[in-house]
Amino acid sequence: DAGITQSPRHKVTETGTPVTLRCHQTENHRYMYWYRQDPGHGLRLIHYSYGVKDTDKGEVSDGYSVSRSKTEDFLLTLESATSSQTSVYFCAIGLAGGTDTQYFGPGTRLTVL
Amino acid sequence: GENVEQHPSTLSVQEGDSAVIKCTYSDSASNYFPWYKQELGKRPQLIIDIRSNVGEKKDQRIAVTLNKTAKHFSLHITETQPEDSAVYFCAAIVGGATNKLIFGTGTLLAVQP
Repeated sequence: DAGITQSPRHKVTETGTPVTLRCHQTENHRYMYWYRQDPGHGLRLIHYSYGVKDTDKGEVSDGYSVSRSKTEDFLLTLESATSSQTSVYFCAIGLAGGTDTQYFGPGTRLTVL
Repeated sequence: GENVEQHPSTLSVQEGDSAVIKCTYSDSASNYFPWYKQELGKRPQLIIDIRSNVGEKKDQRIAVTLNKTAKHFSLHITETQPEDSAVYFCAAIVGGATNKLIFGTGTLLAVQP
C-alpha cells in the first residue's frame, strides 16, 4: 500500500459538533482527494486538492470544507456534523490527477448520532 | 449531470465461469477508464485501466473493453476464483475536468466454490 494514513480510523460524534479528519501521505503526490462511500452510492468525491492551498469541489461538497497547508496533509472538516454525514470516508492520492492511478487510504468510519 | 452508470449491482457466478460488468458514461470527452476492486473491509485498489486510444486491454484473467461510440466499457474476468469475490467499481473522467473521477455505484461479485 502507498504511504497513506488516515486519522482517526473510527469516530462517533453527536449532531452539531465539528469534526476534522486527517489524511497524511509520504509519497509526495500532488493530488489528494476525499471521498465518501455509502451503500448504493459507490464512491462520491467531496473535495480534492491539486497542490498546496489549491482545492476544488467535488460532487457532494455541501457541509464539508478542506485545507491543505502542506503537501503531505489534507484535512476534511465537517463544520456541524449531521446524521446524513455518517459514512466511510476515504482519502486518495495521485500523481496525475484523474488520469492516473489513485491510491486509497485505509478509510475512516464516522458515525454521527 | 454527468454520471457513470454501472450494471449489474450484484453478480453471482460459479467458480471457473466468466463475469462481465458493464459501465456507461455520459461525457464524450472522457479518455480514461479505471476499474477498482474493493474486498470486504479493505480500501479500493486499481486492477486495470484503459485509455481512449485503445479498444481493449488484458492482464492475465482480467480484460477491459471500450466502445467510445456507444460510450460504454466493460470488465471481463475469466476463470473466476473465490478470491475474485469483491465489489468492483468503474470510473471515468466527466465534465471535462481531468482532475476528477466519477465512480459507478459498484458491483458485488460473488464467486461460488
